Amino acid sequence: AQTVTQSQPEMSVQEAETVTLSCTYDTSESDYYLFWYKQPPSRQMILVIRQEAYKQQNATENRFSVNFQKAAKSFSLKISDSQLGDAAMYFCAHMDSNYQLIWGAGTKLIIKP
Amino acid sequence: DAGVIQSPRHEVTEMGQEVTLRCKPISGHNSLFWYRQTMMRGLELLIYFNNNVPIDDSGMPEDRFSAKMPNASFSTLKIQPSEPRDSAVYFCASSLAINQPQHFGDGTRLSIL
Repeated sequence: AQTVTQSQPEMSVQEAETVTLSCTYDTSESDYYLFWYKQPPSRQMILVIRQEAYKQQNATENRFSVNFQKAAKSFSLKISDSQLGDAAMYFCAHMDSNYQLIWGAGTKLIIKP
Repeated sequence: DAGVIQSPRHEVTEMGQEVTLRCKPISGHNSLFWYRQTMMRGLELLIYFNNNVPIDDSGMPEDRFSAKMPNASFSTLKIQPSEPRDSAVYFCASSLAINQPQHFGDGTRLSIL
């Protein structure tokens, strides 16, 4: 069975600093999509960033970037210049061959002012 | 642009009652997904539709759960009869196509007493 593992249940970072959230996944496919979603206390699920496996270039969205290591099946999220509004649960997800999202358990990110 | 719209935002009802959750996907999106989120099980895909047709309902927990999508702009998830273990946050999401990022509604927090 395909799985997504987020090994950090909780992370904390000082405001304005950089933090990296880890994610590993298991798949036998060569082409697939990976996503990071953010869920703040308001409980909305917000798409943060998407990576297509066939693209070697790491995706970037403003302060958010990924480190995609296909051979290692690793897909970490880096948040630069952390802001108080970044506090949320962060979920990593892998889209399988049936186009279903396989979700990690989430990492709770705490921003210290 | 309007996002995915779910109603109600909160629902509290007694066990045995019928519950209907509603979802309006983003206009032009062809795929619609229903998820359930609990602390114990995380995010679970219940069912998804493509072009209004149910594609995979293997995540629907029991016959008490049913979902319909009568047209491209509306879907319902019904639980009859409801049980306390159905208490969860139910999310609806839509995507432009089956392999595109999913955009979530604000969710319905369901409490069955």
